[in-house]
Amino acid sequence: NAGVTQTPKFQVLKTGQSMTLQCAQDMNHNSMYWYRQDPGMGLRLIYYSASEGTTDKGEVPNGYNVSRLNKREFSLRLESAAPSQTSVYFCASSEAGGAGGDYGYTFGSGTRLTVV
Amino acid sequence: KNEVEQSPQNLTAQEGEFITINCSYSVGISALHWLQQHPGGGIVSLFMLSSGKKKHGRLIATINIQEKHSSLHITASHPRDSAVYICAVKGPQGAQKLVFGQGTRLTINP
Repeated sequence: NAGVTQTPKFQVLKTGQSMTLQCAQDMNHNSMYWYRQDPGMGLRLIYYSASEGTTDKGEVPNGYNVSRLNKREFSLRLESAAPSQTSVYFCASSEAGGAGGDYGYTFGSGTRLTVV
Repeated sequence: KNEVEQSPQNLTAQEGEFITINCSYSVGISALHWLQQHPGGGIVSLFMLSSGKKKHGRLIATINIQEKHSSLHITASHPRDSAVYICAVKGPQGAQKLVFGQGTRLTINP
């Protein structure tokens, strides 16, 4: 099925460990995003990539790095995990346009990360 | 004050009732999105609006740009509509960031 594929779905890390969350979309979207969702808070943007080859910080980028490997793939890396990074992470993509506006977002199924 | 406010935060209704969820925002926007998040956690985009009204099945979304307000309506509600409904706005053209409301938890009892 067309859409956004995230892996893994669940992960438990020890404080200080590193990991990479993978995201791939097959809709030929230009823009991709990483969000985190915490209880009682709305989704918050970590990083985004407006197009292949570009990445920019969102609201909560500290402790994370990203790579837009190609048009399809956008990965999120935690170099040294901390308990404050326990969250549910969502990748999303959109055909965000300039003057043309945008056409909605497609979300991955989420990664539930626990840092102990 | 949050840039995007949803009301109510929680809503419980009986099957068949007409449901309205409200979203108010305080910034200029190029688009407003309504999203649905089911108990399993997945997020689905329901509507993207920049003006007027859209309808999909039993769901209707409206937006009033002058009043900075949008509503999501569900007609003939069903238990499978139970989910969290999230409003999100995108700033003026060129803005990349979506600003999300905190969501409305809807429970439809049979």
